[in-house]
Amino acid sequence: ETGVTQTPRHLVMGMTNKKSLKCEQHLGHNAMYWYKQSAKKPLELMFVYNFKEQTENNSVPSRFSPECPNSSHLFLHLHTLQPEDSALYLCASSQDISSRRGPYEQYFGPGTRLTVT
Amino acid sequence: GNSVTQMEGPVTLSEEAFLTINCTYTATGYPSLFWYVQYPGEGLQLLLKATKADDKGSNKGFEATYRKETTSFHLEKGSVQVSDSAVYFCALGVPYGNQFYFGTGTSLTVIP
Repeated sequence: ETGVTQTPRHLVMGMTNKKSLKCEQHLGHNAMYWYKQSAKKPLELMFVYNFKEQTENNSVPSRFSPECPNSSHLFLHLHTLQPEDSALYLCASSQDISSRRGPYEQYFGPGTRLTVT
Repeated sequence: GNSVTQMEGPVTLSEEAFLTINCTYTATGYPSLFWYVQYPGEGLQLLLKATKADDKGSNKGFEATYRKETTSFHLEKGSVQVSDSAVYFCALGVPYGNQFYFGTGTSLTVIP
């Protein structure tokens, strides 16, 4: 595997379900990101992790719970979602963001298309 | 604050036509500017970037120049192909925390 991979690619879940999205990067990066992509809206940054530590949480509802066990893996745990949470969820990675030499290109995975029914 | 505004689509062009997608930004500090492309069913890929004023980014026949005086970073290509059909995102990146600010995307369809 190369680059950034995401599983599953498609997910349909009911509002009472619990599911998880997985992201893995094979680029040796230390920073990972979750974005939400909705039609006709800018990409919304949700969470940022640097060296496994969360550095950004953009006022995301608690029904989204991120987990970063190591610099290569990132999860997004979902529970009691709402229909308006239906979107494409993108994972990205980049070099370590604690340096002041950035910004560094972010590399994106293909996304998980989530539908909440 | 930091933000990006890009022209709304969709844009439909005939093959070999000239392409311009407008992008303007507001920023504090000294950002870098990027164009990303998203092909159907895929994630975003970096197309080109420019790190300071008057820099020109180019790749695959696409070009964009970082214009500080007009706060713009318009994407151009002289002759589009069917394979260029995709959604194009303008983005601004700041060094601290590596925060990126994306536009809403412009969908381009090129017809034979």
